[in-house]
Amino acid sequence: SAVISQKPSRDICQRGTSLTIQCQVDSQVTMMFWYRQQPGQSLTLIATANQGSEATYESGFVIDKFPISRPNLTFSTLTVSNMSPEDSSIYLCSGGQVNTEAFFGQGTRLTVV
Amino acid sequence: GQQVMQIPQYQHVQEGEDFTTYCNSSTTLSNIQWYKQRPGGHPVFLIQLVKSGEVKKQKRLTFQFGEAKKNSSLHITATQTTDVGTYFCAGPPNSGYALNFGKGTSLLVTP
Repeated sequence: SAVISQKPSRDICQRGTSLTIQCQVDSQVTMMFWYRQQPGQSLTLIATANQGSEATYESGFVIDKFPISRPNLTFSTLTVSNMSPEDSSIYLCSGGQVNTEAFFGQGTRLTVV
Repeated sequence: GQQVMQIPQYQHVQEGEDFTTYCNSSTTLSNIQWYKQRPGGHPVFLIQLVKSGEVKKQKRLTFQFGEAKKNSSLHITATQTTDVGTYFCAGPPNSGYALNFGKGTSLLVTP
């Protein structure tokens, strides 16, 4: 199993600013992903964080808005750039090996005012 | 791409009643996973089913994978207030490596 520490757990940000969310895994994982989840909704995949290369983004998400880094197999960051109230959501990182269970960070509850 | 459909969306039961959530796919799944997310929490892995017709139990929870590997169910016997949360099924990715999550079933248990 793996434990993922995600921070911050919550933040209230001014529109137009940026927030960087960090995830640290206690062991090496092949895959890391970033999701967005509106309250009461399912998980929407933002991107796959690739170690040492550019992330793979899902339709509707772009690198300029959600730059992602993954310098090694245990750490990744997601930045929410130039925030607007529409970016208010819960952001979750996830990690694991291919075709096995996924582990999730505790989530970051973001409110943009 | 493959869609993983989950029903019902919500279920409200009295403590002690049983609960079942269903997951259906239009295509054959190589495996299916189930997760539980408590209110305010993050999804936590419950189980993975791989074999056709597989049934696995975890205390009061029974997980089943259909013979055709296109559907799955999670049944909770005699619900307790600690069962409150949203239960997600997740199938293999349509592309890439990320799981394909259903929309979830939110379970509310009242004493």
